[in-house]
Formats: sequence, C-alpha cells, structure tokens
Amino acid sequence: EVQLVESGGGLVQPGRSLRLSCAASGFTFDGYAMHWVRQAPGKGLEWVSGISWDITIIDYADSVKGRFTISRDNAKNSLYLQMNSLRPDDTALYYCAKLTDGGPEDYWGQGTLVTVSS
Amino acid sequence: DIQMTQSPSSLSASVGDRVTITCRASQSIRSYLNWYQHKPGKAPKLLIFAASSLQSGVPSRFSGSGSGTDFTLTISSLQPEDFATYYCQQSYRPPSITFGQGTRLEIK
Repeated sequence: EVQLVESGGGLVQPGRSLRLSCAASGFTFDGYAMHWVRQAPGKGLEWVSGISWDITIIDYADSVKGRFTISRDNAKNSLYLQMNSLRPDDTALYYCAKLTDGGPEDYWGQGTLVTVSS
Repeated sequence: DIQMTQSPSSLSASVGDRVTITCRASQSIRSYLNWYQHKPGKAPKLLIFAASSLQSGVPSRFSGSGSGTDFTLTISSLQPEDFATYYCQQSYRPPSITFGQGTRLEIK
C-alpha cells in the first residue's frame, strides 16, 4: 500500500523557519519526481516545489522562490521542505505528492498544516 | 512559466446534468494535462491523465479531451458525489507543475 506521511507542520511566527518532512512507502520512491503542493484556507491548490528523482532538476513557484528549499533522501525514502522567512500568506495545508508524469501513478499524503501568525 | 486558465470558476448544476469545464494553457503542452477532483478534508483525486486517459476506478461518466492549449473535462450525467472542486494541471516540463485556479461545482 502506498503511503505518504507528512510531518513538521505547526504554528510559527512570521519570519521564522519550519521544516516539513514526508515519509514515503509502498512504491519506488527513488524512481520518481516528488512535489509539495499547498492549499491556503479558502483558496485553490498551488504547486509549491518539485524535485526530480536524481535531484538534478528542482523548481519552485515564484511565491516561494528564494525562501523555500526542497530536498530528498532516496536512501531514507524521504522528502523535505525547508521553509524560511515564513509569511502569513504561507499559511496552508501542505501536501507531499508523487504527481502523475503522464501515467496513472499519482499519490498524495493527507497533508500537514502550517499556520504563520504572531 | 506555463499559466493555466480554467473556466468557469464556479458552476451550479443539477443531478443528471451534463457539465463541461475548460482549461487553457498559455502555450502548447501537447497532452500533458491532468484533471483532479478535490473534496474538503480529502487529498485530491486524479480523474484523467494525459488529457483523455481515465484513471482506474473513476466512473466512465468522466471524460477528458483536447491537446495543445485547449482542454475539456466533461461529466456526462452528474451524480450527487460529483459535487466538488475540479482542477486542471499541466505536467509538460516536470518537475515544474501548474494547477488551474479550480472550478467549484455546486448543487443547483
């Protein structure tokens, strides 16, 4: 059974940092690109960042570029998101996901909530 | 960056209605277009991948079409469980991804 389990969310003050983790199991983690997707309260889905299977290609949404860093450890089947200089508009449910790459394999975690507030 | 424009942003319809949602890409994405259904409190669910391939387990009343820049998601006969928010998503240059802004499908 495929599982993606996010952790690390919580309440944080503006300007502070937080690190999200995602533990993957049940599929060949090191064979696929992985992503972080978020949904702010009352808003739509927003792709945040993606990383290729071999870490050669990384990209970010403009809204987080320069503040967030995605990484992965294939030996640990884990994905990470280091979030610095957090702002109130970063408040969202953050999903770890293996998104379809043109095929049917598409997996999502249940999300971890990040709240940025003083 | 590739921008995705979905329309309408919201839609009211009745059980049994035929519904069409459109998605336009800012440049050609060939058939790298996917459709998701999202319900509150749940993870998004993939309905259609590669513009027109039905995900396993998804009812056949859902269908997708299009290529290049213009795409559609059609629900042939709305069921009560179909009321949700729908998103298109382009995956032309992975791992760079873009979602449309979403279409909220509500009961009339």
